[in-house]
Amino acid sequence: DTGVSQNPRHKITKRGQNVTFRCDPISEHNRLYWYRQTLGQGPEFLTYFQNEAQLEKSRLLSDRFSAERPKGSFSTLEIQRTEQGDSAMYLCASSPYRGPPYNEQFFGPGTRLTVL
Amino acid sequence: DQQVKQNSPSLSVQEGRISILNCDYTNSMFDYFLWYKKYPAEGPTFLISISSIKDKNEDGRFTVFLNKSAKHLSLHIVPSQPGDSAVYFCAASYDTDKLIFGTGTRLQVFP
Repeated sequence: DTGVSQNPRHKITKRGQNVTFRCDPISEHNRLYWYRQTLGQGPEFLTYFQNEAQLEKSRLLSDRFSAERPKGSFSTLEIQRTEQGDSAMYLCASSPYRGPPYNEQFFGPGTRLTVL
Repeated sequence: DQQVKQNSPSLSVQEGRISILNCDYTNSMFDYFLWYKKYPAEGPTFLISISSIKDKNEDGRFTVFLNKSAKHLSLHIVPSQPGDSAVYFCAASYDTDKLIFGTGTRLQVFP
């Protein structure tokens, strides 16, 4: 039984560099979510996919952020021209769509990004 | 605007006693509520959920209560164990959309 996996677990980068994170969801789950968590806060929604379609993007997701899920399986989140304010834990979650209202989402271990 | 609020940042409970974690929400459209547990350096782990058409759901030592008129939910852990020490987040959603999380409550269970 494999849960949601994320790579890398940690990423340290210099301001202005681009970074890319990968998420592999639970195999039978057709929904995939990205969240960001900073210290002392709960996770904040960034974007989500149903299969390969990106259904919603948060206003938090500036033009420097882009996410893809090309074949409806794994997903990537890219941040271009990183800023120190991008330092956070980036969490991926997946869920089996069962129709409303059910919405259990299962999270990966996260990727901790530090921008120097 | 904080739609989901956890007003107690921390809670300390003796092993074997009941832990009660509280959560308030403002959006009456929310139709599903969840509790997650989070250990340091790990992602949140799903614990228990409840639909807005119910007022109680139990799973082993965990029970979630929902009071729609007060826009309040609570998580009861009985009996509390040292391994329950973690940060607990409540979350809410509408129509299977994104989860909206509270800021978390740190639970410490001491011997």
